[in-house]
Amino acid sequence: DTEVTQTPKHLVMGMTNKKSLKCEQHMGHRAMYWYKQKAKKPPELMFVYSYEKLSINESVPSRFSPECPNSSLLNLHLHALQPEDSALYLCASSQTTERTYNEQFFGPGTRLTVL
Amino acid sequence: GNSVTQMEGPVTLSEEAFLTINCTYTATGYPSLFWYVQYPGEGLQLLLKATKADDKGSNKGFEATYRKETTSFHLEKGSVQVSDSAVYFCALSGNTGGFKTIFGAGTRLFVKA
Repeated sequence: DTEVTQTPKHLVMGMTNKKSLKCEQHMGHRAMYWYKQKAKKPPELMFVYSYEKLSINESVPSRFSPECPNSSLLNLHLHALQPEDSALYLCASSQTTERTYNEQFFGPGTRLTVL
Repeated sequence: GNSVTQMEGPVTLSEEAFLTINCTYTATGYPSLFWYVQYPGEGLQLLLKATKADDKGSNKGFEATYRKETTSFHLEKGSVQVSDSAVYFCALSGNTGGFKTIFGAGTRLFVKA
């Protein structure tokens, strides 16, 4: 199984809502990532988890809260978002973060719209 | 810091034409280099990679050679198909800065029948 799954595929939320994005992989990977991708732009790294511990936070606003309950699951909790947070949110995984040659496996993304 | 520069798009080609997408990089040490592809409405997927100088990555008719002397990793395909229409991202992963993957801006390819 070389798949990263993400739910939901689409999400529309108001600025006062609380919602969560979910990501799952069963490849035994120990590194998991959240990226934000705006239209016609490359993915921007938000968070990296390595062995279930947060290892990189790219100065992301606190209205985004990541969680890694176990080595297969990654969540992104959303609260009080702004319209400019509307984007495609991509989850990815790789074997580890400790080698340059480990490619990342991406999920299909969650298309988020904040009204 | 590490960076990746790719040719601007969009690139529009007719079916069976030859494709080159240029990519150059700046990095300390010995990074690994990647090409990822993103089809409409999907996430990114690895197309090919090279982990040391002079390595050639290849997949689905695409190939790229890791050229340390010119700090380049250009993507080529001899004969494109309509199904190759997508956005192509050149990327590197270096052993500084937490092994983060740095993506180029992306090059959109349109292939006409």
